[in-house]
Amino acid sequence: GDSVTQMEGPVTLSEEAFLTINCTYTATGYPSLFWYVQYPGEGLQLLLKATKADDKGSNKGFEATYRKETTSFHLEKGSVQVSDSAVYFCALTGANNLFFGTGTRLTVIP
Amino acid sequence: DAGVTQSPTHLIKTRGQQVTLRCSPISGHKSVSWYQQVLGQGPQFIFQYYEKEERGRGNFPDRFSARQFPNYSSELNVNALLLGDSALYLCASSPTGTAKNTEAFFGQGTRLTVV
Repeated sequence: GDSVTQMEGPVTLSEEAFLTINCTYTATGYPSLFWYVQYPGEGLQLLLKATKADDKGSNKGFEATYRKETTSFHLEKGSVQVSDSAVYFCALTGANNLFFGTGTRLTVIP
Repeated sequence: DAGVTQSPTHLIKTRGQQVTLRCSPISGHKSVSWYQQVLGQGPQFIFQYYEKEERGRGNFPDRFSARQFPNYSSELNVNALLLGDSALYLCASSPTGTAKNTEAFFGQGTRLTVV
């Protein structure tokens, strides 16, 4: 069945460090791929998306490229800020729903 | 514009009781989905409703049920609560019934604690 495997955390980085959070997927067909972010005590917010192979999603300095050949959708940011501290979820679309990874907690220290 | 609203925000119930959670989607959105997020895990799909009909169901027992009303709001009911039902319950709304190419907007969630 469809599934997402996400890099285990937690991840702790210093401010302005480079961020990579790995995400690979298994899916039938051609899903859309998403990164959602969850700040403490809040619901999920869409961070970025890609709907077909080789698409690059980007938002707020974050980027991820839909790689069909490696079934990956890794999240990157060149310079993280303290305000980026949150839990990040990779997700893919099924027929009627989203399949989520287990989440990666990022803590950025000043 | 109001986002997805869920009520209540927090709830404490005793094992064996029943609970009803409520969700109002974004105006104009006709699809509502429910997810369960256990602490430290990713959200797990429970139900999707579109135009008041069930369109999808995840791997949850029959103790879980839901419905969608003519104004597209939705309720999630859980009977005979177990300790393992303690979780954050998230509601998501979207304009269409298909997930692909469609952004789902999530509410803040209802934190259910079963004691």
